[in-house]
Amino acid sequence: QQQVKQSPQSLIVQKGGISIINCAYENTAFDYFPWYQQFPGKGPALLIAIRPDVSEKKEGRFTISFNKSAKQFSLHIMDSQPGDSATYFCAASAGSNTGKLIFGQGTTLQVKP
Amino acid sequence: NAGVTQTPKFRVLKTGQSMTLLCAQDMNHEYMYWYRQDPGMGLRLIHYSVGEGTTAKGEVPDGYNVSRLKKQNFLLGLESAAPSQTSVYFCASRPGQRHQPQHFGDGTRLSIL
Repeated sequence: QQQVKQSPQSLIVQKGGISIINCAYENTAFDYFPWYQQFPGKGPALLIAIRPDVSEKKEGRFTISFNKSAKQFSLHIMDSQPGDSATYFCAASAGSNTGKLIFGQGTTLQVKP
Repeated sequence: NAGVTQTPKFRVLKTGQSMTLLCAQDMNHEYMYWYRQDPGMGLRLIHYSVGEGTTAKGEVPDGYNVSRLKKQNFLLGLESAAPSQTSVYFCASRPGQRHQPQHFGDGTRLSIL
């Protein structure tokens, strides 16, 4: 019940296209859903995050869509650029005092020029 | 502004050897975390700390020990290294308030022969 399932494992998109990464969870106590971006040789860095009281959050070309009833959330990257090529992780937290995150398995995105 | 610094960046050990990984943060964060990252498995929490002098087990704690004697430092120890502990280890920190992002270091790549 603590798992966060992420798909696809890898994704190839042409420059200018839309990249979509999906995550699903079971634990209804999760109340914070961040996405992290990781470049090779670097640590993950927060990209965008959402709480379940909103259905969508947009920051520039990056949008999180959240479906509370389906227990799913997704990351959309509009106008994908080669510089977006990285590994993306979704995560979830249950809002406890520990701040622990449960991470998805990761998606490796390649944006072709 | 260094953020989260991990030492060393690379290390090769022989089976049975011991070593300590150091994580230092200069953001005065309350919470600190140690993760391991393995292909296709995302980031898995090893141990974490919600304050100086406190530690707790995460998802995969076996074979590891931690200490947080100073607020800014979080040490991860391997007492008797095993090949299954070959991985990339990440440290993260975050403020104590709810729904704050975790800030990651750039990792330690550890190989156990």
